[in-house]
Amino acid sequence: EAQVTQNPRYLITVTGKKLTVTCSQNMNHEYMSWYRQDPGLGLRQIYYSMNVEVTDKGDVPEGYKVSRKEKRNFPLILESPSPNQTSLYFCASSLIGGHGTEAFFGQGTRLTVV
Amino acid sequence: AQKVTQAQTEISVVEKEDVTLDCVYETRDTTYYLFWYKQPPSGELVFLIRRNSFDEQNEISGRYSWNFQKSTSSFNFTITASQVVDSAVYFCALSGDPQGGSEKLVFGKGTKLTVNP
Repeated sequence: EAQVTQNPRYLITVTGKKLTVTCSQNMNHEYMSWYRQDPGLGLRQIYYSMNVEVTDKGDVPEGYKVSRKEKRNFPLILESPSPNQTSLYFCASSLIGGHGTEAFFGQGTRLTVV
Repeated sequence: AQKVTQAQTEISVVEKEDVTLDCVYETRDTTYYLFWYKQPPSGELVFLIRRNSFDEQNEISGRYSWNFQKSTSSFNFTITASQVVDSAVYFCALSGDPQGGSEKLVFGKGTKLTVNP
């Protein structure tokens, strides 16, 4: 089954404690990205990757890091989480450069930073 | 810059009513793609439809229909005979021309639809 898998689904952490949210897709997609969803703001892109070893900033990259060492994985790293990073996070992938083809989304990760 | 506006923050209807969710977009690309996603209370994003800028045909899928009008930069979504299960947040999104470097999905802020029994 074609899917994007994020882990964990829920996470409560403390300010400053480094964490990683994993994202994996099994569709051999080139394009992957991370979004955060906040009430009243919709979804905003954090980082994206056009292919292995190619990543770039989205609209709200501050406080986040990503890596793309393998095509299937695109982890999101919060080196020193802060309460303003409390949000619902989605990983997405699509076949070619950009989301002009259908974007497949993970189930979401609800992060709370206290 | 690309932008998607969903002016309706929340809509509440009674079951069996028809409801239209508005979406207005801005882009300078001639090639672009429009999407609608549904986010039920469980939180996942469910793909509903994708339209490219060269295809202005309206589409119907069961109780769902979409009206794409380039002249008004709108891509509205209508649910006919709404049901309680349609209660969700609906997002309209725009993706630009990858050749032009505007690949990302730009989302509207969403419209929360509540269908009451």
